[in-house]
Amino acid sequence: NAGVTQTPKFRVLKTGQSMTLLCAQDMNHEYMYWYRQDPGMGLRLIHYSVGEGTTAKGEVPDGYNVSRLKKQNFLLGLESAAPSQTSVYFCASSPPLRDEQYFGPGTRLTVT
Amino acid sequence: AQSVTQLGSHVSVSEGALVLLRCNYSSSVPPYLFWYVQYPNQGLQLLLKYTSAATLVKGINGFEAEFKKSETSFHLTKPSAHMSDAAEYFCAVSEPNSGNTPLVFGKGTRLSVIA
Repeated sequence: NAGVTQTPKFRVLKTGQSMTLLCAQDMNHEYMYWYRQDPGMGLRLIHYSVGEGTTAKGEVPDGYNVSRLKKQNFLLGLESAAPSQTSVYFCASSPPLRDEQYFGPGTRLTVT
Repeated sequence: AQSVTQLGSHVSVSEGALVLLRCNYSSSVPPYLFWYVQYPNQGLQLLLKYTSAATLVKGINGFEAEFKKSETSFHLTKPSAHMSDAAEYFCAVSEPNSGNTPLVFGKGTRLSVIA
């Protein structure tokens, strides 16, 4: 049981490049989330999903897109990376009818 | 709308001293409350949670928190700090019976433990 895994762990992008972050969970959770963490800002919710094929915007969705084609995977895409998107990205999942979230180890993204 | 405030972005204690990390919430109904811990270069790990059962909640690693409705607080304590407690701590709130409403996190408190 690996829990929540994130790929890749580190990435450096140039401004304007695109990339996709992959989150996978093996706990059969319905709900999945993408956060970004910046110094002094805590965790901010980017997008989340309440089930396969559904997504919703969080607090800071601009510049990101997501997809949940399979229940166990939640993808976060950056179509045209900007330096302001330099951050640590965390994925989380939770079972239905409970609020406890399980977090992945994070992806450190640097945009130059 | 629910929100959470953590007082103090950085707290420093001596090894063996009491740890007190403060969290106040704003919610229209009695909320669910959580404390998470984040060790360097790791994801968040649940320490404890309050879901309207006992007001004093015990968590892992000797931590506990008390829900005080009159003070809208959920402060985290540990009687005796250990060097391994150095980490960032996040308080989070969620309104119950509203489906899986995403948690709202505080901005975090970094705990340093001095030998």
